[in-house]
Amino acid sequence: DQQVKQNSPSLSVQEGRISILNCDYTNSMFDYFLWYKKYPAEGPTFLISISSIKDKNEDGRFTVFLNKSAKHLSLHIVPSQPGDSAVYFCAASGGGSNYKLTFGKGTLLTVNP
Amino acid sequence: ETGVTQSPTHLIKTRGQQVTLRCSSQSGHNTVSWYQQALGQGPQFIFQYYREEENGRGNFPPRFSGLQFPNYSSELNVNALELDDSALYLCASSITRSTGELFFGEGSRLTVL
Repeated sequence: DQQVKQNSPSLSVQEGRISILNCDYTNSMFDYFLWYKKYPAEGPTFLISISSIKDKNEDGRFTVFLNKSAKHLSLHIVPSQPGDSAVYFCAASGGGSNYKLTFGKGTLLTVNP
Repeated sequence: ETGVTQSPTHLIKTRGQQVTLRCSSQSGHNTVSWYQQALGQGPQFIFQYYREEENGRGNFPPRFSGLQFPNYSSELNVNALELDDSALYLCASSITRSTGELFFGEGSRLTVL
């Protein structure tokens, strides 16, 4: 049973345009959400997070939106750059198991010059 | 500041053998977590150690075991290796038991033949 789902295995966008990566979750006890970026042959690196008490968090070109009623979050990257090409993982924690992250399968983002 | 380092980066074992993977946490971090990432999947939580004791465990059998040492370095041991244990094993350190930002190493790629 996959509690965090990223239904798009891949996404391709043009440099300078917006990239939108989506994530759905089923566990209503999750109260903290994170996005990680992973380049080949490297470990995941933290990108941005959001608490369930917020519906938006912004950090430079990266914005995460949370819709609790829909159990949906999205990561917006504006403007997209070729260096953003990587696998993006959505992760969640909470509900008494806040020592662990539950990850989605990831979305491969390709930003074309 | 030294980041999370893991060794070895790649290794090949045969079914039934035992393997030990090692991790050095980021300076100042007293919590270490281990994740398994199978091909095409997101990282899956194995267990977490805090102050040398297991603080939480995912859905992995007892042949997956760990240690954390006083200097906060850590080991992941897997006994009686199975073909399905082939994966990237990621170590992550953090300054708190509750999941916030995890700092991942580049991983150890294990192939079981």
